Amino acid sequence: EDQVTQSPEALRLQEGESSSLNCSYTVSGLRGLFWYRQDPGKGPEFLFTLYSAGEEKEKERLKATLTKKESFLHITAPKPEDSATYLCAVRRSGAGSYQLTFGKGTKLSVIP
Amino acid sequence: GAGVSQSPSNKVTEKGKDVELRCDPISGHTALYWYRQSLGQGLEFLIYFQGNSAPDKSGLPSDRFSAERTGGSVSTLTIQRTQQEDSAVYLCASSSRGSGGPSYNEQFFGPGTRLTVL
Repeated sequence: EDQVTQSPEALRLQEGESSSLNCSYTVSGLRGLFWYRQDPGKGPEFLFTLYSAGEEKEKERLKATLTKKESFLHITAPKPEDSATYLCAVRRSGAGSYQLTFGKGTKLSVIP
Repeated sequence: GAGVSQSPSNKVTEKGKDVELRCDPISGHTALYWYRQSLGQGLEFLIYFQGNSAPDKSGLPSDRFSAERTGGSVSTLTIQRTQQEDSAVYLCASSSRGSGGPSYNEQFFGPGTRLTVL
């Protein structure tokens, strides 16, 4: 069974204090690892897709990296507007490959 | 429209009543998904539609749940005889392709319907 574990559950940072969020996964044949951002009362907003170990993608203050067992979302010099819940999801190969299996998310709070 | 839309945004119902939740996917997207997000839990896959193919209903938690997609576009998720444990946010997503071929397709989510069963 596919499994996604995110840590920490919650993270509180001072504005400008860089940190990383972790997503550990087990999946039968990774066909993509996805990062989403979710603001309160809204649906998840797509951020990145990573397909193979060693791949990195960047967007503004965010950088996502991937290994064979985990992914990291690095946040550099965060701002209060980066406060949100960050969700990680995996897509498997083979049967049911369209389904995403999600972690429970990391709630990030950036304090001015 | 520009994104996935869902209605209603909030629904409060009494235990035992039936509810219908609507999803309007991004124009041109052939794949449509329903997920459920319960408090403190990750998103849980419910059902998947791809074009005119038979839907994958493997994630539906009970036979009280059903969904249909008319004309390859709008979808309705119906919950019959609602129970308190059905209270959650129901999210719809669409993507440009399903599982056929190289399908590294991002799923774009709507804002969700928050269902509260009293």
